[in-house]
Order: sequence, then C-alpha cells, then structure tokens
Amino acid sequence: EVQLVESGGGVVQPGGSLRLSCAASGFTFDDYAMHWVRQAPGKGLEWVSLISGDGGSTYYADSVKGRFTISRDNSKNSLYLQMNSLRTEDTALYYCAKDSSSWYGGFDYWGQGTLVTVSS
Amino acid sequence: EIVLTQSPGTLSLSPGERATLSCRASQSVSSSYLAWYQQKPGQAPRLLIYGASSRATGIPDRFSGSGSGTDFTLTISRLEPEDFAVYYCQQYGSSGLTFGGGTKVEIK
Repeated sequence: EVQLVESGGGVVQPGGSLRLSCAASGFTFDDYAMHWVRQAPGKGLEWVSLISGDGGSTYYADSVKGRFTISRDNSKNSLYLQMNSLRTEDTALYYCAKDSSSWYGGFDYWGQGTLVTVSS
Repeated sequence: EIVLTQSPGTLSLSPGERATLSCRASQSVSSSYLAWYQQKPGQAPRLLIYGASSRATGIPDRFSGSGSGTDFTLTISRLEPEDFAVYYCQQYGSSGLTFGGGTKVEIK
C-alpha cells in the first residue's frame, strides 16, 4: 500500500525558514517524480515544485522560485521542501504527491498534508 | 504561465443527474498533460482522469474526460451521493504546472 506522510509544518514568523519532509512507502521511490502542492485555507490547489526520480531535475512555481528548494533522499525514501524567506501568503496545507510517471502523468497518491502558518 | 479557467464555479444538481464541468486553457495544452482531481472536505485530492480521457485506477466509469487544445470537459454521467465535491483540472506545460480554480458540485 502506498503511503505518503508529511511532517515539519508549524508556525513561523515572516522571513523565517522551515523544512518539510515526506516519508514514502509502498512503491519503488526512485522510479517516480514527486511533487509538493499547497492549499491555502479555504482556497484552491497550487502546485509548488517537482523533482525527478533521480533528483537531477527540479521545477518550481514562480511564486516560490529562489526561496524554496525541493530535494529527495532515495536511500531514505524521503522527499523534502526547504522553505526560506517565508511570507504570510505561504500559509497553507502542504501536500506531497507521487507522480504516476517519471516526470508528469498526474498525481496518483497524496499525503494528508502538513500545515504551515506564517504569522508574526 | 497557462491559466486554467473552470466553469461553472458551482454546479447545483440532484443525485442521478448528469454533471458537465468545463476547463478552458489560456493556451493550447497537450492532451497527454491534462488531469482531473476530486477533493472532498478535509481530504486530499484524488486523481480521476489523466491524459485528458484515461480513468485512473479504481475510478468508476460514470466519470469520463474529453477535449483537446484549449477546451476540456469532465462528465459525471449519473451523480452518486459520494460525487458531491470540488473538482480541479490540472495541466503540465513548458511554463510549469497549474490547477484550475475548481468547480464545486453541490446537492440541489
């Protein structure tokens, strides 16, 4: 059974940093691209970042480019999102999602999310 | 960036009725890179359709996707009580991935 479990969310002041983690199990982790997607309270979905199965290729939404860094450790079946220079508009529930392919084919499994609140 | 506009914003229907949801792109989207998701309150999204028209594993055949270029449609042939939810389209292109704003299907 595929499982994705996010952690690392919390309350942080504007300008601060946070590192999210996603522990994956139930599939061959390095065969698939992985994503971070966020959802502000009461709002729609926003794609944040994508990383290829081998970690060699990454892609970011313009809204986070230069501030967030996606990475993965295939030996630990784990996905990460380092978030720096956080803004109030980064407040959201952050999901990790597994792609159905090695780059993009739709997100076939999602975690339950970890909440990030940026507030002074 | 390709903008996806979903309409209507809210669809009020009764169980058993047919639902037709629209997703219009600001530029042409490859059909291979268009997906639909369902999200219920308090839950993570679920993949329904990928490649514009292929059902994901375990998705009932009352869900179907169609379209090409800039106009895509998700159809639910006969609404079941568990289908009342928010639906999002998503695309992948050279300028990144984007989601539409969502269509809420509510019980009339």
